[in-house]
Amino acid sequence: NAGVTQTPKFQVLKTGQSMTLQCAQDMNHEYMSWYRQDPGMGLRLIHYSVGAGITDQGEVPNGYNVSRSTTEDFPLRLLSAAPSQTSVYFCASRSDWSQETQYFGPGTRLLVL
Amino acid sequence: GENVEQHPSTLSVQEGDSAVIKCTYSDSASNYFPWYKQELGKGPQLIIDIRSNVGEKKDQRIAVTLNKTAKHFSLHITETQPEDSAVYFCAANDYKLSFGAGTTVTVRA
Repeated sequence: NAGVTQTPKFQVLKTGQSMTLQCAQDMNHEYMSWYRQDPGMGLRLIHYSVGAGITDQGEVPNGYNVSRSTTEDFPLRLLSAAPSQTSVYFCASRSDWSQETQYFGPGTRLLVL
Repeated sequence: GENVEQHPSTLSVQEGDSAVIKCTYSDSASNYFPWYKQELGKGPQLIIDIRSNVGEKKDQRIAVTLNKTAKHFSLHITETQPEDSAVYFCAANDYKLSFGAGTTVTVRA
């Protein structure tokens, strides 16, 4: 198993540009989530999904959209990038919402100029 | 929602000494408390966890303790080694994982 994979590893955007961060898992996990990591603030939940077709907002959802058309993929869309979205983004998955062991991807480092 | 506080933010220890990181949580409904280790340029990786019906759990050189009454839990690393240098995160689960701000541990040779 590849586990949780994320692409790209690094991206530079200009303010106002849009982009999609890709996340995929091959463990047949129902529960997937997106976090952002900023210095001194830990990991903050952006959006999560408990299964295909079901998504919900986390702690810091503004400026981000998600969709879950398949069990494997959970892309994160930045609609109009802002410098405040400069961060490291992690995707994570676990088998279902009641199971606690969560696996993280390697992260995408995003710089918005 | 859940609020997790983690201390200290940085910790420097001599190789062979012990390291202790402490976390508090706010929601008494939280029932699962994992600890993650993040090495430079990588995603967080689960190293140990504890559930609310257990007071202490040990795995080789690492141990976690939980005090439900006081709503705090701690990570203990004994006989620290250079490879223990990393950022450590605690978390509490009340359905969605809430993370502490992290502790940067440096083990001095």
